[in-house]
Amino acid sequence: QKEVEQDPGPLSVPEGAIVSLNCTYSNSAFQYFMWYRQYSRKGPELLMYTYSSGNKEDGRFTAQVDKSSKYISLFIRDSQPSDSATYLCAMSLFSSNTGKLIFGQGTTLQVKP
Amino acid sequence: DADVTQTPRNRITKTGKRIMLECSQTKGHDRMYWYRQDPGLGLRLIYYSFDVKDINKGEISDGYSVSRQAQAKFSLSLESAIPNQTALYFCATSGQGATSGAYNEQFFGPGTRLTVL
Repeated sequence: QKEVEQDPGPLSVPEGAIVSLNCTYSNSAFQYFMWYRQYSRKGPELLMYTYSSGNKEDGRFTAQVDKSSKYISLFIRDSQPSDSATYLCAMSLFSSNTGKLIFGQGTTLQVKP
Repeated sequence: DADVTQTPRNRITKTGKRIMLECSQTKGHDRMYWYRQDPGLGLRLIYYSFDVKDINKGEISDGYSVSRQAQAKFSLSLESAIPNQTALYFCATSGQGATSGAYNEQFFGPGTRLTVL
């Protein structure tokens, strides 16, 4: 079993839809939770970053962490064609401070105009 | 100019050849990483380096070696390339910040698409 599981999709939605992207994980020691966005033919870039549990909002994006269920989510409101990309969840341990990230497989999202 | 650059961007080679992928950064970060990306498998860490004298194996280091020639340069070598090393390779960097988790924000290069025939 992978430490981090993510539905690879692809996910296709109409413009303006609310998108929910999810990851589950098995290691309860993970403390940092991140979402990276990767456009086609580009490297990933950090989109959202959460420490421990709770929600974090940034514009149309909301990251949610439920440590009791070992489940994280990224919500995109009013989705736009420019949101079409692959979204990768990533996690790391507090104690290591090495920057060693464990990534999910990535979910490919297409937002149709 | 890009903060993290990778050369070459594309490479086709044959089984058994030695290949070097190069990464340079202008962000002044101390930490550098090499990942490979395969469809359905996400990003997997090959090697990471805390500084010039500190290099560590990642999740999938077999068949690869690295060299940190300077704080700004980190190269990945495939000593004898094999077809299952065909993948997209990314270099990334991270540096100290205001929070304890700052190293988790990694800045990626544009990637090198490697094909081993």
